[in-house]
Amino acid sequence: QSVLTQPPSASGTPGQGVFISCSGSSSNIGSHYVFWYRQFPGAAPQLLIFRNNQRPSGVPNRFSGSKSGTSASLTISGLRSEDEAVYFCAAWDGRVDGLWVFGGGTQLTVL
Amino acid sequence: QLQESGPGLVRPSGTLSLTCSVSGASFSSSRYYWGWIRQPPGKGLEWIGSFFHDGTISYNPSLKSRLTISVDPPKNELSLQLDSVTASDTAVYYCARENNYCTSTSCLRDYMDVWGKGTTVTVSS
Repeated sequence: QSVLTQPPSASGTPGQGVFISCSGSSSNIGSHYVFWYRQFPGAAPQLLIFRNNQRPSGVPNRFSGSKSGTSASLTISGLRSEDEAVYFCAAWDGRVDGLWVFGGGTQLTVL
Repeated sequence: QLQESGPGLVRPSGTLSLTCSVSGASFSSSRYYWGWIRQPPGKGLEWIGSFFHDGTISYNPSLKSRLTISVDPPKNELSLQLDSVTASDTAVYYCARENNYCTSTSCLRDYMDVWGKGTTVTVSS
C-alpha cells in the first residue's frame, strides 16, 4: 500500500491533455516538495518534474506540475504516443526521522 | 553513472548484498545523497535508505532493523545489505543520486536525477 495515492491508470488520445493526481497528507505533500518520475518498461525511473513544478532541462513544456495543500497533479498536454509510460509522484515525509514516499504509479495509455 | 551488481538469487532467511559502482562523482560532496530504491514486480517504488557525505545514513523505518548501508570511498562503491530476506524482498533494486537542496536557511532532500539501470533480486529456495 503506497503512502501517496494515484489512480492506477489514465488514458487519452494523441493531442489531448491528461491529468494525473497524487494525494498525500500533511507530513509529506502538505509540507514538502512534490516530484514526478516517469518509467518506461524495463527501464529505471527518470525525473520529470521537481520541486512541485520545475522541469529539468530536456523535459518539454507539455509536462507541468502543480501542488495545492496535500495534493499534487501532473498535466500532460498535447499527448504523444511516446508519453505512454508509468508516472510516479514522490515526496519527502517528515514523520520520525523522515523518508521518501512514493505513489503507486499511474499507467498512461495513449489510445 | 551508477551501476548495481550482486547475486540475482538469494535464499529465504539469507542476506541480500548489493553494490553500486559510482563513477564521475565523490561521496565526499555535500551536494548529494546516495541511496537505494526498490520496486517489487509490477508494483511501485519503495525507498530503502540513503548515505550522506558526513556519514549520516537514513533508513526506511520499515526496513531499518534488517538493513545496513555503507560506502567504500576508495572503490567509489555504495553497498546494501538486507538480512533475513523473504519473498517480499524480491524486487528490482536501484541505486540513485539524490540532490541536497540548500537555501540560505536550510537544506532539503531533493530530486533523484541519476539512477542505475537496476538489478533484479529474487528471493526463492
